[in-house]
Amino acid sequence: QKEVEQNSGPLSVPEGAIASLNCTYSDRGSQSFFWYRQYSGKSPELIMFIYSNGDKEDGRFTAQLNKASQYVSLLIRDSQPSDSATYLCAVTGSARQLTFGSGTQLTVLP
Amino acid sequence: EPEVTQTPSHQVTQMGQEVILRCVPISNHLYFYWYRQILGQKVEFLVSFYNNEISEKSEIFDDQFSVERPDGSNFTLKIRSTKLEDSAMYFCASSLSLASETQYFGPGTRLLVL
Repeated sequence: QKEVEQNSGPLSVPEGAIASLNCTYSDRGSQSFFWYRQYSGKSPELIMFIYSNGDKEDGRFTAQLNKASQYVSLLIRDSQPSDSATYLCAVTGSARQLTFGSGTQLTVLP
Repeated sequence: EPEVTQTPSHQVTQMGQEVILRCVPISNHLYFYWYRQILGQKVEFLVSFYNNEISEKSEIFDDQFSVERPDGSNFTLKIRSTKLEDSAMYFCASSLSLASETQYFGPGTRLLVL
């Protein structure tokens, strides 16, 4: 049974700070790792994906992957109130379907 | 920018009735998916579809569920005899190719079974 675990939060950070979101996964065969953002009542919106160990940066977002530790994280720099949402970690393996974590609720305080 | 569309946005039905949820994937995408999210719970995979057949399905996707691509644009999820526990948000997603695993989600259909 593949599991993706996230701290449900809520995580609160002040505007302009760095928000750090973490995720662990159980299946060592997991190949691709995704971060989605979900606003209440809306669909998941892709933020970033990462396939290889290390860091990947896209604007204010940095994804970090450590396959040995089965750990993936998302850093959001210069957090804005509009970043307030639930952040979903998801993984795929040899099968293409996404396995999602339960999400971390982030609140950025003005 | 191309996007996945879904209709209807909301559907209310009586227990035991059949419902069909419709999706129009991004036009050049080849892989299609249905997921559901019960209120307050995780997004869960239901089924994937490629080359006019089911590729993978989860334990949730039992005989009450079926999928179809009736024409070149639509992708449908049918629930034959709805149960109260089928109440959820249903998301359609699509991805471009075998090499691209990035899935783009539609806005969802909120299904309420009474």
